[in-house]
Amino acid sequence: AQSVTQLDSQVPVFEEAPVELRCNYSSSVSVYLFWYVQYPNQGLQLLLKYLSGSTLVKGINGFEAEFNKSQTSFHLRKPSVHISDTAEYFCAVRRITGFQKLVFGTGTRLLVSP
Amino acid sequence: GAVVSQHPSRVICKSGTSVKIECRSLDFQATTMFWYRQFPKQSLMLMATSNEGSKATYEQGVEKDKFLINHASLTLSTLTVTSAHPEDSSFYICSARIGQDIEAFFGQGTRLTVV
Repeated sequence: AQSVTQLDSQVPVFEEAPVELRCNYSSSVSVYLFWYVQYPNQGLQLLLKYLSGSTLVKGINGFEAEFNKSQTSFHLRKPSVHISDTAEYFCAVRRITGFQKLVFGTGTRLLVSP
Repeated sequence: GAVVSQHPSRVICKSGTSVKIECRSLDFQATTMFWYRQFPKQSLMLMATSNEGSKATYEQGVEKDKFLINHASLTLSTLTVTSAHPEDSSFYICSARIGQDIEAFFGQGTRLTVV
């Protein structure tokens, strides 16, 4: 089985500051990794995904994430955040083979203040 | 990107009644649709997976007689919450996938309140 840990339930940050949202996963098989963003009362939007190849993945809205296999991590970063980045962020994994359901972390609320 | 439309976005129903939530893939054919439930300030929990034309596969602990899922066409799946009770109040989200594609696309969610 797969599991995802997002240790930070909430991350407060000032506008234009850098931010890192942490994600660690556990799996006995190879997985794909994803980051999603959820705005209040809305569904999920894909920010970026790691499938294979370069471990640094760039996504939408200036976000990027780095896959670290030895540390089983997939941390999300942005060099300079905006007020509009305030949202809930979910890390998720999915098996490459077999039953391919998404397993989500508990989410991190990013709070950007002026 | 592909668009998944979920309707209604909000619904309030009386305890004991049933409510149906629709999930449509607007510009693609979704062979697989997923239904999630999200409690306040918590993550998404997969309730069931449905494949077009076949019975849904429910996750452990999800009552299949209470949460009826129908995936009658490649563009529509429905979730019916039967005999709803206040504890069924939650945010329900669907997602849809094309074949064995890696990415699934999410609807905007339905806020169900049972009074």
